[in-house]
Amino acid sequence: DAGVIQSPRHEVTEMGQEVTLRCKPISGHDYLFWYRQTMMRGLELLIYFNNNVPIDDSGMPEDRFSAKMPNASFSTLKIQPSEPRDSAVYFCASSLARKVIGGELFFGEGSRLTVL
Amino acid sequence: AQTVTQSQPEMSVQEAETVTLSCTYDTSESNYYLFWYKQPPSRQMILVIRQEAYKQQNATENRFSVNFQKAAKSFSLKISDSQLGDTAMYFCAFMKGSGGGADGLTFGKGTHLIIQP
Repeated sequence: DAGVIQSPRHEVTEMGQEVTLRCKPISGHDYLFWYRQTMMRGLELLIYFNNNVPIDDSGMPEDRFSAKMPNASFSTLKIQPSEPRDSAVYFCASSLARKVIGGELFFGEGSRLTVL
Repeated sequence: AQTVTQSQPEMSVQEAETVTLSCTYDTSESNYYLFWYKQPPSRQMILVIRQEAYKQQNATENRFSVNFQKAAKSFSLKISDSQLGDTAMYFCAFMKGSGGGADGLTFGKGTHLIIQP
């Protein structure tokens, strides 16, 4: 069984550039989460979707961040324009509704973003 | 809002020893879940163990067990017979039990556990 697949694994870009991170959840999972991990703030929930619909985006830091889930097998997190303080590891996680409340989220390996 | 605090940024023990990682949390919720996740150098987060707040019995998964003290809002992880492969970041996490779905996990800052050979 393929796990959650994220791309790119590493991204280095310059300030002001647009960054798009991609996620393919586990087939059949109906919840998808985007987290950001930094040394200073730890792991923060940015946004999550249920059946492709955004449910809570209160964790999205500002308007430069946007996330979409056009279908059940694909989601993107976009930063435009990027800033050095956006440098972090971005994780995507998915889960089945019946397991979400039990906490069993399946995480991808993360996308490490460096904004110069 | 919920907060999760891990007061030990780093711990180091010898292989085969027992180690306990601390976690405290703050919430006004009565129904919730607590978790320990492991993040090895590969970066992928892996669920180690979970505890339902309404259960008094402490959860156990092989060498991993928790000490859940609900009144004290404490949730520590004990690793017995530690192995080199246990070297990783360990995150304590909280999830509300209310609502029809999920609000995501609130994580602590993590404890870097190093198992020495």
